Amino acid sequence: QQKVQQSPESLIVPEGGMASLNCTSSDRNVDYFWWYRQHSGKSPKMLMSIFSNGEKEEGRFTVHLNKASLHTSLHIRDSQPSDSALYLCAASDSNNRIFFGDGTQLVVKP
Amino acid sequence: EAAVTQSPRNKVAVTGGKVTLSCNQTNNHNNMYWYRQDTGHGLRLIHYSYGAGSTEKGDIPDGYKASRPSQENFSLILELATPSQTSVYFCASGGGHQDTQYFGPGTRLLVL
Repeated sequence: QQKVQQSPESLIVPEGGMASLNCTSSDRNVDYFWWYRQHSGKSPKMLMSIFSNGEKEEGRFTVHLNKASLHTSLHIRDSQPSDSALYLCAASDSNNRIFFGDGTQLVVKP
Repeated sequence: EAAVTQSPRNKVAVTGGKVTLSCNQTNNHNNMYWYRQDTGHGLRLIHYSYGAGSTEKGDIPDGYKASRPSQENFSLILELATPSQTSVYFCASGGGHQDTQYFGPGTRLLVL
């Protein structure tokens, strides 16, 4: 069973719109969450991380975490065509294991 | 930024042949990882290592071996390559579970 589930699988938003991506872990041992972004043909790069309840904002990107439900979400406001990419959620535990979800494919249409 | 390099970048192999994928990191990270990524999907962990001389099985280790001869180098070995192992392989390094993983550029492997 996959330990990290992401939704939706794909998402199309208009340029300037808000994109909301979701991620939930089924493993109660995880305590750190990551969002990686992967442009087509490139390698994943870390976008944001969070380990405390609440939210964290960096520019147009905001992540939320609810540790009780092991749910995190990524919100991109004022989406740009350059934000089009595969967004991977990951969760890690104290055994240095990291689990990736299958990703959300985001397309921002001009 | 952390530097992770992989070689080769592209490889065509024949069924039953031996393939070795190499990874090098220059950031003195203890942990290194091998993933495969199939079209449109996420990353699946094959093997990982906590340091020189150690290798651990990930989620899909069957058909793969790993070797960590030094802090900097981590290899993935396919002793008898099969077409189902056609994929893109990423190596990554990181300091620990609270640290960012840094990925190499990937190796595209085609097994005919």
